[in-house]
Amino acid sequence: KQEVTQIPAALSVPEGENLVLNCSFTDSAIYNLQWFRQDPGKGLTSLLLIQSSQREQTSGRLNASLDKSSGRSTLYIAASQPGDSATYLCAVATGTASKLTFGTGTRLQVTL
Amino acid sequence: GAGVSQSPSNKVTEKGKDVELRCDPISGHTALYWYRQRLGQGLEFLIYFQGNSAPDKSGLPSDRFSAERTGESVSTLTIQRTQQEDSAVYLCASTSQAYTEAFFGQGTRLTVV
Repeated sequence: KQEVTQIPAALSVPEGENLVLNCSFTDSAIYNLQWFRQDPGKGLTSLLLIQSSQREQTSGRLNASLDKSSGRSTLYIAASQPGDSATYLCAVATGTASKLTFGTGTRLQVTL
Repeated sequence: GAGVSQSPSNKVTEKGKDVELRCDPISGHTALYWYRQRLGQGLEFLIYFQGNSAPDKSGLPSDRFSAERTGESVSTLTIQRTQQEDSAVYLCASTSQAYTEAFFGQGTRLTVV
């Protein structure tokens, strides 16, 4: 059974800092890995999708890497801003249904 | 539509009543998922539809839960005889095909009193 773990559970940083969020998964037979953000009381917003054959994806200040063999992904956020405050979730797609299995998230707060 | 649309956005119901939640996927998306998120917890997979294939119902927590989807259009999630532990946000997602980017709706917040 696929299990996804995210570390840390919560993180508070001052504005402008670069930061790294970690995601690990137990079954390396994944099709892709996706990072989302969730604002309080809202749905999920897709940030980046990395296919299993890729090593990284970039979008603006965000960079996600994938090491499938070791079951790890990182989300790097450069020059953090208060608007980045949210919960960040990673999810891996496995199985014939490409079912997404989610981690429990990292709650990020960027302070002024 | 431009995104995944869910209705209602909020629903308060009395214990024992049935509720129906609706999801409108992005036009042309063949795959549709339902997830549940209890307060302070992660997302739990409920059910998956892919085209005309038989749905994957492996995540439905009990026989009080059912879902339907007609073709590649709207899906409804029905919860019969609601219980307080059914209180959660129910999220719907769609993808253009298997193994591609998933887009989520804003969710339906269900409160059973």
